Amino acid sequence: KAGVTQTPRYLIKTRGQQVTLSCSPISGHRSVSWYQQTPGQGLQFLFEYFSETQRNKGNFPGRFSGRQFSNSRSEMNVSTLELGDSALYLCASSLAGYNEKLFFGSGTQLSVL
Amino acid sequence: EDQVTQSPEALRLQEGESSSLNCSYTVSGLRGLFWYRQDPGKGPEFLFTLYSAGEEKEKERLKATLTKKESFLHITAPKPEDSATYLCAVQPSYGGATNKLIFGTGTLLAVQP
Repeated sequence: KAGVTQTPRYLIKTRGQQVTLSCSPISGHRSVSWYQQTPGQGLQFLFEYFSETQRNKGNFPGRFSGRQFSNSRSEMNVSTLELGDSALYLCASSLAGYNEKLFFGSGTQLSVL
Repeated sequence: EDQVTQSPEALRLQEGESSSLNCSYTVSGLRGLFWYRQDPGKGPEFLFTLYSAGEEKEKERLKATLTKKESFLHITAPKPEDSATYLCAVQPSYGGATNKLIFGTGTLLAVQP
């Protein structure tokens, strides 16, 4: 069974640009969550989608947005990139519900210059 | 404010030298406490979920325990392949149906042969 797939693996952008990251969950999983990981802050929750609806949102500015498609694949978008957005962005999927273990992808490493 | 604190930040052990990692948490009602392992360049991998004080779970050389304010991950006779960052996360009981987790910043474990 294929795991969570995130593309691209690495991205280099400049300040002010926008970026779109993609996540394909494990087949049959309907919940997709996104996390930002930095050395100083650790993993911080961005948002969670379930059946194409945003179910929960973290404390990030509106420049961070996401969506989920009918096949459960998800994308997140960051507009007007800032240097501080440099981080590893992790996607995780689970079957549904709550209090379930999450299956993480290997992440997209974003560098903003 | 909900918070998860892990200690120590880094730990170096000799192969076979047992030790414990600590995770203390402050949360308005605990739905579950999770332990993950993260290897360099990869996303976190699920280890355990604990739900109530007094609960214990084991997997190979790892044993996780939970009290009302903290959790411990005991590593018995570690091997070099146990080297990784160990992450603790909590899921609050409020917020409805969600898989949102609040993570600690992790303990970087190095086991030397």
